[in-house]
Amino acid sequence: DIQMTQSPSTLSASVGDRVTITCRASQSISSWLAWYQQKPGKAPKLLIYKASNLESGVPSRFSGSGSGTDFTLTISSLQPDDFATYYCQQYNNYWTFGQGTKVEIK
Amino acid sequence: QVQLVESGGGVVQPGRSLRLSCAASGFTFSTYAMHWVRQAPGKGLEWVAIISYDGYNKYYADSVRGRFTISRDNSKNTLYLQMNSLSVEETAVYYCARSTSGTYYNPFDYWGQGTLVTVSS
Repeated sequence: DIQMTQSPSTLSASVGDRVTITCRASQSISSWLAWYQQKPGKAPKLLIYKASNLESGVPSRFSGSGSGTDFTLTISSLQPDDFATYYCQQYNNYWTFGQGTKVEIK
Repeated sequence: QVQLVESGGGVVQPGRSLRLSCAASGFTFSTYAMHWVRQAPGKGLEWVAIISYDGYNKYYADSVRGRFTISRDNSKNTLYLQMNSLSVEETAVYYCARSTSGTYYNPFDYWGQGTLVTVSS
């Protein structure tokens, strides 16, 4: 099984900050990685697919990078609507999610 | 617009069964693979099962294989999850989610609102 490890688990930031979340796979997954945003009581929302491709309708302040085992999600300028929990997901071999990173207000 | 609406959740005793449904609309249901994903209270996301667009191929997480059965009725645009021998640890919100295409290894582009399953005596 492929394990996904995100860091940090919690991140405190202010509006306007540049935020970076990392995700590491236990083995190479090429670029088969997605990022999701989830707000309390809501379903996850797809942000990024194939490591760096922005889903339609997602603001351009979100970007993704990486390949192999190491990936990052970057929010270039944090907005009030961005305080949420973010999950990475590999879909190279079955589907596995990271444990999540909560972005909270500093 | 794409809509996925789950139903069938509720309170069930340990060891009992429950069947969830997911009604799909706004897209050609029969051409997409579909998934179930669950989330225990305050915890992360866990993939549960996938079914191919035509219903012929199904894959399960190790934690549910042999107890859960995923199925679909393309004539009714509905996805199902039959859950048997439920345990307390399977208390969670269960989401149905659409694969981005009919093939398997893709992310999930649309999700339902989820249905809460509580396993408790």
